[in-house]
Amino acid sequence: QVQLVESGGGVVQPGRSLRLSCAASGFTFSNYGMHWVRQAPGKGLEWVALMWYDGSKRYYGDSVKGRFTISRDNSKNTLFLEMNSLRAEDTAVYYCARDIRSNHYDYWGQGTLVTVSS
Amino acid sequence: QSALTQPASVSGSPGQSITISCTGTSSDVGSYNYVSWYQQHPGKAPKLMIYEVSNRPSGVSNRFSGSKSGNTASLTISGLQAEDEADYYCCSCTNVYVVFGGGTKLTVL
Repeated sequence: QVQLVESGGGVVQPGRSLRLSCAASGFTFSNYGMHWVRQAPGKGLEWVALMWYDGSKRYYGDSVKGRFTISRDNSKNTLFLEMNSLRAEDTAVYYCARDIRSNHYDYWGQGTLVTVSS
Repeated sequence: QSALTQPASVSGSPGQSITISCTGTSSDVGSYNYVSWYQQHPGKAPKLMIYEVSNRPSGVSNRFSGSKSGNTASLTISGLQAEDEADYYCCSCTNVYVVFGGGTKLTVL
């Protein structure tokens, strides 16, 4: 069965960096676009970034552009999110999600919590 | 681009029907039939309920339906049940840009 498992969250000071991972299993990872979506405590969903199935294109939400980098290793079935210059407002649960037909998400991970605090 | 506009909350009694609206612009909701809807219970990951405006994934109750007119999409839940109480998010999702609605809290009275 399809599984997405995020890891790498934790408490980090403002201005520091953190790298999240999303391990995929149960499907051919290299056939699907993948996204990061986050949710601040008590708030709604916010799209963060996406990467095409082959890694050829990547796109970012305005609030993270220039600070976050999405990447993937199709040989290891893993999606990454490198987060730099972290701010308090980046505090959120970060979900990875599988993109089906380039227009919706059919599977989500359980999320990993990132807390940016001094 | 700004978030899609949803009502903050809606409520209904068991057995009733409710509709949640999702208003965007001609650049997102109005441009493509790529609106999807997600249900989220507290502490859980979102779950896909409707995709491409009106399609239901396998396993989702036929009490859930979607539609679109112009720049506004809608999710209708008929025969409300207690388990439907959750947050609902619309999404205009493409493979170059994604925007979510602000979310609607559904309360089953």
